[in-house]
Amino acid sequence: GAVVSQHPSWVICKSGTSVKIECRSLDFQATTMFWYRQFPKQSLMLMATSNEGSKATYEQGVEKDKFLINHASLTLSTLTVTSAHPEDSSFYICSARTSWDSESSYNSPLHFGNGTRLTVT
Amino acid sequence: DAKTTQPPSMDCAEGRAANLPCNHSTISGNEYVYWYRQIHSQGPQYIIHGLKNNETNEMASLIITEDRKSSTLILPHATLRDTAVYYCIVRVELSRGAQKLVFGQGTRLTINP
Repeated sequence: GAVVSQHPSWVICKSGTSVKIECRSLDFQATTMFWYRQFPKQSLMLMATSNEGSKATYEQGVEKDKFLINHASLTLSTLTVTSAHPEDSSFYICSARTSWDSESSYNSPLHFGNGTRLTVT
Repeated sequence: DAKTTQPPSMDCAEGRAANLPCNHSTISGNEYVYWYRQIHSQGPQYIIHGLKNNETNEMASLIITEDRKSSTLILPHATLRDTAVYYCIVRVELSRGAQKLVFGQGTRLTINP
């Protein structure tokens, strides 16, 4: 089955520094990747939709200058948390779907990475 | 906003069938229902999805009502490893064919020995 790999699985950084999280589709090409954030005991919250070769689409309330998303290839999207603060500490999860050019792939399920736990001290 | 509602929690005895309900009364005719589960500190795991016909795979069965306003995920023989939060999701359609999955609060299923 389709595998999405996320790296690192956990990271600790100091306040004010930037952290980059990678999301790779290992055995398929992903035109679109999605970035989610999850706080303890809460559901996943969609942050942005990452489109290969174009600008990401951010959800309302998500600062695009703070959460930089780059989707330079069909297998890699990165999320950079800039000038991180303790309130940015969270579980970040990416997901991807195969490129769609048919009805079946359009409705195919998303595949999720195993998440990155970010702790900002 | 999520387009589904689920009970916040459920319990089930090990070895019994776990039936998880989901309401999606505003679902459109061409929107699929997706089920995922999340075990603590892991990414969501895809379980099954369907449009209008009942579906079955190695993990579970999905029963969708004829009016498509609700569905039930069935884990036929629940094990302790099935303890997780289960999410029922209807895709949100955006413009120009784009789409996204919006998660609701899900159902926390606890399998008891």
